[in-house]
Amino acid sequence: NAGVTQTPKFRILKIGQSMTLQCTQDMNHNYMYWYRQDPGMGLKLIYYSVGAGITDKGEVPNGYNVSRSTTEDFPLRLELAAPSQTSVYFCASSYLNLLAGVYEQYFGPGTRLTVT
Amino acid sequence: AQSVTQLDSQVPVFEEAPVELRCNYSSSVSVYLFWYVQYPNQGLQLLLKYLSGSTLVESINGFEAEFNKSQTSFHLRKPSVHISDTAEYFCAVRPNYGGSQGNLIFGKGTKLSVKP
Repeated sequence: NAGVTQTPKFRILKIGQSMTLQCTQDMNHNYMYWYRQDPGMGLKLIYYSVGAGITDKGEVPNGYNVSRSTTEDFPLRLELAAPSQTSVYFCASSYLNLLAGVYEQYFGPGTRLTVT
Repeated sequence: AQSVTQLDSQVPVFEEAPVELRCNYSSSVSVYLFWYVQYPNQGLQLLLKYLSGSTLVESINGFEAEFNKSQTSFHLRKPSVHISDTAEYFCAVRPNYGGSQGNLIFGKGTKLSVKP
């Protein structure tokens, strides 16, 4: 299994441009997540999905959109990029550990985005 | 609501010295507790977790953490660190809403720097 993969690894955007961050997992996990990580701030949840066709907002959803048309893919869309969206973005997926009765998350390697 | 406080943003130590990374949380419901590690330019990896049972949990690379319910803490310890332990460590909680589980809530992270 490749696990959780993200593309691109790095991107520089100009203010007002748009782009899509790609995330794919091959573990057949139902749950998927997008986080952003800012220095000294930990990870903040942007959006999450509990299965294909179902998405919901996290803590910091403004300026982003997501879709989940398949179990494998969970792209994150930035419309009208702003400098405040400069961050490292992590995608994650999780499955239910039946023995433990808890969801365990697996993270992708991240996308470093700079908006200037 | 839940919150996680990691008291130290940076912890420098010498190789083979012991280390403790502190984590406190607040929650009105029961929680599961996690430590994640992020090596430079990589995504997060699960280091260890407390779900139930013994309050002392261990990882395969010598780290351990103890859940203290009365002090609402989940401090991470290692008796002798290596250069390769240099990384950022995140404490996280997942609230358990009576069987329906919430999303992970992260602390701001502690950067462990091991010097020779």
